[in-house]
Parts: sequence; C-alpha cells; structure tokens
Amino acid sequence: AQSVTQLGSHVSVSEGALVLLRCNYSSSVPPYLFWYVQYPNQGLQLLLKYTSAATLVKGINGFEAEFKKSETSFHLTKPSAHMSDAAEYFCAVSDQANNDMRFGAGTRLTVKP
Amino acid sequence: GAGVSQSPSNKVTEKGKDVELRCDPISGHTALYWYRQSLGQGLEFLIYFQGNSAPDKSGLPSDRFSAERTGGSVSTLTIQRTQQEDSAVYLCASSLARSGTGAEAFFGQGTRLTVV
Repeated sequence: AQSVTQLGSHVSVSEGALVLLRCNYSSSVPPYLFWYVQYPNQGLQLLLKYTSAATLVKGINGFEAEFKKSETSFHLTKPSAHMSDAAEYFCAVSDQANNDMRFGAGTRLTVKP
Repeated sequence: GAGVSQSPSNKVTEKGKDVELRCDPISGHTALYWYRQSLGQGLEFLIYFQGNSAPDKSGLPSDRFSAERTGGSVSTLTIQRTQQEDSAVYLCASSLARSGTGAEAFFGQGTRLTVV
C-alpha cells in the first residue's frame, strides 16, 4: 500500500522566516500527492495537490510544493511565515493501485513573533 | 448542504455502549472516507466507499467497528461496546471521483468521541 512519512512532528519558525515541511511518499505507481491544513478547531482543507501536470505546484496562502520523483518527496514551502500559518499540516498520497488516500502523521507548525 | 456534514459534533458515551456517527457527504460525491484522528496522531484510514462497489474495510481496527452507506449517500459508522481507546475525532470526507484519480477529498468538521 502507498504511504507517507512526514519528518518532524513539530516545526517552529520565526515570523518572516522560511517554512519547510517535509514529506516523503512510497507508491508502486505514479502518485497523486496532497497537502492539507488543519487550523485549530477546524476541519481539514486542501492547500495544494500534485496530479502530474507540473512538478512545482502553487497553493493557497503563498504555499508551494515540488514533486521530486528521484527523491520520492513532496516538501511544502513558504518563503515568509505569517502568524496565521500556525496550524497542523498533513501530507497525503493516493494512487490508482489502492482504494484510499493515506495521510502522514502531521506536522504542527508554530510561528514565533 | 454546501459541505460535508457530520453529527453529532461531540459525543460522550460510557464504556461498553454502542455509538453511531453520521456523515452526509457533498451531493453527487461518489467516494466517501472515514478516518480516525487521535490526540497527537495523524489520520488513520478506516473505510472507503466508492459508488455501489463493495467498501474497502481494510482499515477498521476491530470487528466492533462497522460502517454502511445507504443509497450511495449518507454513511453511518457504528462502534459497538466502546472502549476508552476509541476516544478520538472521527472524520468523514467525500470526493467527486474515485480514489486514485487525483480528486480532492472534502472533510467534515468531525465527531469528537469521548468514552468514559
């Protein structure tokens, strides 16, 4: 089955600093990859997704992610963190060989003033 | 409704009781997922429904857990003889297309289950 590993359960950055959240996937066939965000006391919402159209994907709120097949990675970045970015971020993978969408354990992002 | 609706939003139950959690997916969405989110944990896949196909139950943690989807729309997750370790947030998501097509999953707000 496909799987996702998110390195770092907790990441802390200063406001204005680069945000880098790591995600590595495992899939036997070409994957579809997603980043979801969960703000405190809210449901999950889609940030961005990779569906093979372009390796660099831009999402909402200034986030982007790059699909690197050779590294089996789909890391999430944002050039300058805002206080409002504090949330939990989940990477997910689905593919045509499996019937579900698998999520990583999540990374909690804290933004310091 | 405009989004995925889950009820109740909170449920406190006594150990050993049965509970039913309900999910109303977005109209027209053929795929429906249930996940469990425990404190400090990621999303644990439970079950997947796609149209009229047999559900993928591979994620259900024990035979105390079951789910059904009536008429390809509303889904109910049932937990029998609840245990304290069942305490978690249960999330439902629906998608316009089957898993493995790149279709986005839309999530409900979840049901927070507390077993005392």
